[in-house]
Amino acid sequence: QVQLQESGPGLVRPSQTLSLTCSVSGETVSSGLFYWSWIRQSPGKGLECIGYIYYSGTIYYSPSLKNRAVISVDTSKNQFSLNLNSVTDADTAVYFCARGNKGFQYWGQGTRVFVSS
Amino acid sequence: EIVLTQSPDTLSLSPGERATLSCRASQYVGSNRVAWYQQKPGQAPRLLINAASSRATGIPDRFSGSGSGTDFTLTISRLEPEDFAVYFCQQYGDSPLTFGPGTKVEIK
Repeated sequence: QVQLQESGPGLVRPSQTLSLTCSVSGETVSSGLFYWSWIRQSPGKGLECIGYIYYSGTIYYSPSLKNRAVISVDTSKNQFSLNLNSVTDADTAVYFCARGNKGFQYWGQGTRVFVSS
Repeated sequence: EIVLTQSPDTLSLSPGERATLSCRASQYVGSNRVAWYQQKPGQAPRLLINAASSRATGIPDRFSGSGSGTDFTLTISRLEPEDFAVYFCQQYGDSPLTFGPGTKVEIK
């Protein structure tokens, strides 16, 4: 059974960097069949795909976040991560990690992140 | 960027009734790469349908998807109590991957 679990701080100060990690079990992040994604959900913007990464190293970012987001994979820990810098109130959301291939079949439970001073 | 529009915003129905949800794309979605998800409060979205009409593993056959090009539909043939939730469409035919704003199916 594939499982994903997000971890990271629930509170980030404005202008700081939001760092989240997704731990994967039941599948290896080095599988070439899937892409590994970060998706966020907020009342104002709905569901937004921040970006996704293939093991090959190919990465796609949402144009609106491209200059602030970095997604990476750590195969030794079977994890992938998101760093989002220069956060503002608009980055307050529930952040999900998910496995993609013809849609997102597996999701983490989500982690709520508040941006506040 | 492909923008997805869903209608209606809210659908008020009774258990046993048929639900028809619409998703319209601002551009052609290649190879019908559209997925549908169900989300309940406090939970992650659950994949129901991909490739516009293929049910995901374990999804009951009362859920069906159809459509092509720019117009897609999710149909729930007979609503069960556990089906009252929010439904999202998503396209994965082009980057950036985008989601619709959702349709809430509520109990009438």
